[in-house]
Amino acid sequence: GQQVMQIPQYQHVQEGEDFTTYCNSSTTLSNIQWYKQRPGGHPVFLIQLVKSGEVKKQKRLTFQFGEAKKNSSLHITATQTTDVGTYFCAGPKAAGNKLTFGGGTRVLVKP
Amino acid sequence: DADVTQTPRNRITKTGKRIMLECSQTKGHDRMYWYRQDPGLGLRLIYYSFDVKDINKGEISDGYSVSRQAQAKFSLSLESAIPNQTALYFCATSDTRRREAFFGQGTRLTVV
Repeated sequence: GQQVMQIPQYQHVQEGEDFTTYCNSSTTLSNIQWYKQRPGGHPVFLIQLVKSGEVKKQKRLTFQFGEAKKNSSLHITATQTTDVGTYFCAGPKAAGNKLTFGGGTRVLVKP
Repeated sequence: DADVTQTPRNRITKTGKRIMLECSQTKGHDRMYWYRQDPGLGLRLIYYSFDVKDINKGEISDGYSVSRQAQAKFSLSLESAIPNQTALYFCATSDTRRREAFFGQGTRLTVV
């Protein structure tokens, strides 16, 4: 079945530094979505990428969808304590299909 | 008020007991999902429903059952709870067009 893997599982970042988390699917995705879950909270939708090679930015967050639509990345610049949480990628194999989540990257920020 | 509401928010139950987790939504979405979250394992899909007459198993459906009572309600049952079903359970909804998922606040279930 479809598998979505994220690396790294944990990311310790010094405040002010940049980091990237990666998402890889075993199958081609119709689209890729990213979610953020704050400690003790529930996942909240951040963004959706649909086109091959698409890049979108939200302030300090840059999201990219691979050319083959099988991988994606999230890059955060100048990390802040508000970035603490777990970031999940998710994607359906085909339009209208169920949403499969990756294992998440848990981000801890050192002040 | 939350658009996706889960009840109860916390529950402790004994091994072998039947328990039902309920989810209701006011977003008017046709699709509803039940996920389980364990530390380090992300969100794993238990069951999903694309409309009232459609129920599908996810990757970890064994030991669980669901009921889609109406477009707005999707409940998850554990017929005979066991300790390894201790986890955080999330209900989510989405619609066909926008596809982004909206999550409830979660139900923390402990089976002792």
